[in-house]
Amino acid sequence: QVQLVESGGGVVQPGRSLRLSCAASGFTFSTYALHWVRQAPGKGLEWVAFISYDGGGQYYPDSVKGRFTISRDNSRNTLYLQMNSLRAEDTAVYYCARDYTLGSDNSFDPWGQGTLVTVSS
Amino acid sequence: SSELTQDPAVSVALGQTVRITCQGDSLINYYASWYQQKPGQAPVLVISGKNNRPSGIPDRFSGSSSGNTASLTITGAQAEDEADYYCNSRDSSGTHWVFGGGTKLTV
Repeated sequence: QVQLVESGGGVVQPGRSLRLSCAASGFTFSTYALHWVRQAPGKGLEWVAFISYDGGGQYYPDSVKGRFTISRDNSRNTLYLQMNSLRAEDTAVYYCARDYTLGSDNSFDPWGQGTLVTVSS
Repeated sequence: SSELTQDPAVSVALGQTVRITCQGDSLINYYASWYQQKPGQAPVLVISGKNNRPSGIPDRFSGSSSGNTASLTITGAQAEDEADYYCNSRDSSGTHWVFGGGTKLTV
């Protein structure tokens, strides 16, 4: 079945870096765009990054632009999120999700189980 | 960027019908998708597009839209439907995505 499994979360000091991974299986990875979405403790969902199926296009919200970089390795069926200059407000569970787009129909399906990133001194 | 607005909380009696709404300018051009999230679990897609249910989602879940408002309707709510529900769409630029603040449904 289609599966996404995140890893790489942990506790990191403010200003430091962390790289998250998302291993995919059960579908043709190289033909799908992907997203990272985060959820701060007790808060709602926030979209963090998008990457096209071939890695040629990436988009970010202003809250992480210039600090986070999304990338992918289609030979390893793996998605990455490089997070630099981390701040306390980046503390959240980070989810990877597969993109589905058909015209004006856009959705995220499925989602991984998430990995917790805690930014604290 | 645009925003999506949801009521923070909604309640429904067991077996009754409930509608959860999502408002935003981007919904004029893009369909909303809807996600169910139970405590400690990842979100799950329940409705996408005009009114598409992924495999495994009960047919008591349905979606609709009018103008800048999208709605998720649960017809005959069950105890297991108690969860947080989030709407999502692309924003008006088409290069960013936005989530509503979420609606906590109590059954």
